Amino acid sequence: GAVVSQHPSWVICKSGTSVKIECRSLDFQATTMFWYRQFPKQSLMLMATSNEGSKATYEQGVEKDKFLINHASLTLSTLTVTSAHPEDSSFYICSASRDHYGYTFGSGTRLTVV
Amino acid sequence: AQKITQTQPGMFVQEKEAVTLDCTYDTSDPSYGLFWYKQPSSGEMIFLIYQGSYDQQNATEGRYSLNFQKARKSANLVISASQLGDSAMYFCAMRVDSNYQLIWGAGTKLIIKP
Repeated sequence: GAVVSQHPSWVICKSGTSVKIECRSLDFQATTMFWYRQFPKQSLMLMATSNEGSKATYEQGVEKDKFLINHASLTLSTLTVTSAHPEDSSFYICSASRDHYGYTFGSGTRLTVV
Repeated sequence: AQKITQTQPGMFVQEKEAVTLDCTYDTSDPSYGLFWYKQPSSGEMIFLIYQGSYDQQNATEGRYSLNFQKARKSANLVISASQLGDSAMYFCAMRVDSNYQLIWGAGTKLIIKP
């Protein structure tokens, strides 16, 4: 079956620093990757959609300069939270799709900014 | 407007009983897909079952079945013979084929009592 690896599982960083989260499809080529943010006891909120080799499409209200997304290859997408602040603390989860009909999720990253 | 509605914030069910989780959707797109995901406390999103808008029969996957009523725009998840390990958040999601993004419901927290 399709497997997506997401690292790190959790990270604690100091306010003002940047954090990079990796999302890698292990056994398939992901045409599209999605990045979500999830607050406690809430549903997933789509942040951006990225296609290999092109710029990510951000959802309204998501700061492009704060949440940098790179989809350099068909198996790897990264989300960098720049100059992180406590309000960026959240659960971030990626999803990869090869055919737009199935979506495989990473295990998520719990980010805590102190 | 495209929307997924899950009206049950939480449910308690006795072990070994069947449980139905409600999901209604709204879209004007004739081609769409409906998904159910399970999210345990660890945070990973586990795919359970899928139903395409043109599928004639209700989808089944082991103990999971999807009660698809197109005219009522409902896609309820039925879990037969519930187990303690079924305790988790359950999300209904819809893919609209015009942009392949997933639209998410608010989720239902299911707790199985021993």
